[in-house]
Amino acid sequence: EAQVTQNPRYLITVTGKKLTVTCSQNMNHEYMSWYRQDPGLGLRQIYYSMNVEVTDKGDVPEGYKVSRKEKRNFPLILESPSPNQTSLYFCASRNGLGWSSLHFGNGTRLTVT
Amino acid sequence: GQQVMQIPQYQHVQEGEDFTTYCNSSTTLSNIQWYKQRPGGHPVFLIQLVKSGEVKKQKRLTFQFGEAKKNSSLHITATQTTDVGTYFCAGPGGPRSGGGADGLTFGKGTHLIIQP
Repeated sequence: EAQVTQNPRYLITVTGKKLTVTCSQNMNHEYMSWYRQDPGLGLRQIYYSMNVEVTDKGDVPEGYKVSRKEKRNFPLILESPSPNQTSLYFCASRNGLGWSSLHFGNGTRLTVT
Repeated sequence: GQQVMQIPQYQHVQEGEDFTTYCNSSTTLSNIQWYKQRPGGHPVFLIQLVKSGEVKKQKRLTFQFGEAKKNSSLHITATQTTDVGTYFCAGPGGPRSGGGADGLTFGKGTHLIIQP
């Protein structure tokens, strides 16, 4: 089954404790992206990657890092999480042709205390 | 940079009534996409519009792309409880990019609440 898999689904952590949210897709998509969703603010892009070893900032990249060492994986790293990063995070992928549709993972709800 | 505005933010309807959400962009869009997110779920792609003035239908859902390719609408006829959720429009580019980035900018969504 074609899918985008995120882990974990829920995560509670404390300020400053490094964490990684994993994302994997099995559709051989070139493009992958991370979004955060907050009430009243909709979906905002954090980082995206056009292909292996190619990443770029989205609209709200501060406090986040990403890497794309393999085509299927695109982890989101919070080196020193802060409470304002409490949010619902979605990973998404699409193929690299034009503006094809995004396939989203099930989301990771992160709480930073 | 490019912004996508979506109204209304919330819409309460009685089951069986119609529903419309509107999307407006500050710049001309090469295409616009619509997504639906059920409560507790993730956004799911519904449709993409590319041509000026394009109209597409999916059962009770009708999608339109404006002639100037700066606005779009989603209309649902005779809503059902299964239509509950948040509907997002999305266009290429982002606030930092001026339309040239490789991401999608999402509207803030319209929450559809249906009262039986």
